[in-house]
Amino acid sequence: NAGVTQTPKFRILKIGQSMTLQCTQDMNHNYMYWYRQDPGMGLKLIYYSVGAGITDKGEVPNGYNVSRSTTEDFPLRLELAAPSQTSVYFCASTSLNEQFFGPGTRLTVL
Amino acid sequence: RKEVEQDPGPFNVPEGATVAFNCTYSNSASQSFFWYRQDCRKEPKLLMSVYSSGNEDGRFTAQLNRASQYISLLIRDSKLSDSATYLCVVTPFSGGYNKLIFGAGTRLAVHP
Repeated sequence: NAGVTQTPKFRILKIGQSMTLQCTQDMNHNYMYWYRQDPGMGLKLIYYSVGAGITDKGEVPNGYNVSRSTTEDFPLRLELAAPSQTSVYFCASTSLNEQFFGPGTRLTVL
Repeated sequence: RKEVEQDPGPFNVPEGATVAFNCTYSNSASQSFFWYRQDCRKEPKLLMSVYSSGNEDGRFTAQLNRASQYISLLIRDSKLSDSATYLCVVTPFSGGYNKLIFGAGTRLAVHP
């Protein structure tokens, strides 16, 4: 099992550009999550999904969109990148109460 | 008030020391409690769950005090490899989706 994988590992965007952060899990978990982590801060929930076709907003959803067409994939879309979206983005999936995280995507918006 | 609060540290301790971290949570209805470990520039990983009766895993002991809404983690005989940030995590609801609330973390640096 690869667990939770994320691509890309690093990305630099210009203000106003858009991109999709990819997340895939091979553990057949229904629950998946996107978090962002700013330096010295805790993880903040952006969006989550309880299964294919079902998504909902977390604590900080503005500026992001998600979709969940399959159990395995949960991409995160940034439509108009802003400097405030500079952060590390973690995708996670859940088995019972343990969340398994991907290695993260480091995004810088200049 | 933050939902989960931790002392950010850093805690600088010598190898072999015993160190304790504390965490408080604001939602008295919280159901499940965990400690996650996050190494520098890496993803968080589950260290241990925290049970009401307290639990131990090798050199690590976790305690929960529901009345005071307080969780602790004790590390005995610290190793250099214990250097990391320790995240206190709380699940506010039973059932439903597994929403986890993360504290900002306590940084531990173990030196020779």
